[in-house]
Amino acid sequence: ILNVEQSPQSLHVQEGDSTNFTCSFPSSNFYALHWYRWETAKSPEALFVMTLNGDEKKKGRISATLNTKEGYSYLYIKGSQPEDSATYLCADGGATNKLIFGTGTLLAVQP
Amino acid sequence: EAQVTQNPRYLITVTGKKLTVTCSQNMNHEYMSWYRQDPGLGLRQIYYSMNVEVTDKGDVPEGYKVSRKEKRNFPLILESPSPNQTSLYFCASSFPPPLHYGYTFGSGTRLTVV
Repeated sequence: ILNVEQSPQSLHVQEGDSTNFTCSFPSSNFYALHWYRWETAKSPEALFVMTLNGDEKKKGRISATLNTKEGYSYLYIKGSQPEDSATYLCADGGATNKLIFGTGTLLAVQP
Repeated sequence: EAQVTQNPRYLITVTGKKLTVTCSQNMNHEYMSWYRQDPGLGLRQIYYSMNVEVTDKGDVPEGYKVSRKEKRNFPLILESPSPNQTSLYFCASSFPPPLHYGYTFGSGTRLTVV
């Protein structure tokens, strides 16, 4: 089983702070890297699907980068807002038909 | 509205009493999958289906069954539930190939087996 690691486990920031967190994955047999946002009591929602080395994707204040050669992806949130509070999951898809999920980074944004 | 519908949202049952958690999607997705979420662990795949009548084991299939008789439905069956199956379960669907598209998740089923 592939090992996907996310850091930090949790993060507390003030409203307006910019923040970032990391997803590390095995660089061999890379196929795709997914990011999901999971709010408490809701279901995970897809943010980004990234497939190419050097990919950079953006959705509003959230962006992500991908380095498949060294096996990591960063998620950035610019000017965090309380509504950004959620667990952010990444998932690595190798040569199999399945995603391997990390344990997530829990972000809490204080007003 | 495009969605994955799971039922029930909450379920408390006793050891050994067969149960089914239903999952239905209205997006014409070929790919469907079941995951369980436990504290300190990432979402772990139980079973998946690439299309009607095609199912395969995920990483933690023991104690579970699935069927895919129609494209839209993918029920999860626990023939004889045990306390170690107490967990939060998610159904997800996607266009194929599943890794190229983000998954759409259901709202989750919190199962407690006593």
